[in-house]
Amino acid sequence: DQQVKQNSPSLSVQEGRISILNCDYTNSMFDYFLWYKKYPAEGPTFLISISSIKDKNEDGRFTVFLNKSAKHLSLHIVPSQPGDSAVYFCAASAYQFYFGTGTSLTVIP
Amino acid sequence: DTGVSQDPRHKITKRGQNVTFRCDPISEHNRLYWYRQTLGQGPEFLTYFQNEAQLEKSRLLSDRFSAERPKGSFSTLEIQRTEQGDSAMYLCASSLVSGNSPLHFGNGTRLTVT
Repeated sequence: DQQVKQNSPSLSVQEGRISILNCDYTNSMFDYFLWYKKYPAEGPTFLISISSIKDKNEDGRFTVFLNKSAKHLSLHIVPSQPGDSAVYFCAASAYQFYFGTGTSLTVIP
Repeated sequence: DTGVSQDPRHKITKRGQNVTFRCDPISEHNRLYWYRQTLGQGPEFLTYFQNEAQLEKSRLLSDRFSAERPKGSFSTLEIQRTEQGDSAMYLCASSLVSGNSPLHFGNGTRLTVT
């Protein structure tokens, strides 16, 4: 059973515009949520996280939003840059980490 | 901070052979995790250690898989009698114990079973 879901396998965005990546989860016990970025032939790189006691966390161009009632989180990247092109995984944790299947983001110059 | 290191980066083996992978975590991290990733999927949990104690093992993990972390530092993952379905990227990650701490991943070992 997939406890963390990313329903969009791919997303294309023009450079300078906003990228919005979405993630849904099913387990209400999750209390820590993360986004990772992955380039080919490399391991996932931690990007940003949010605790369940917050609904928003910002780090530069990256903002994560958490809607606990909807069991939904999203990652906003603004402005998008070509170097942001990668696969993005969301993850959720109670004590163990569960990952979504990833969204491949392409930022078009 | 030298990051999480995994060795080898690539391993090609014949079906039925045993393979062993090594992971060196970030030095101050007490938790160490093993994940497996196949094409089009996210990382799938295999097992994790806190210091030298193996605290959890995935129900999906075959008895052919075993992991150790003998002195609470590096870890090894062994797969016995490999099968073609074991072909995947094997990822190691480490984290601190305290509070909400993210996993930091190595670059993985890509296993191909022929």
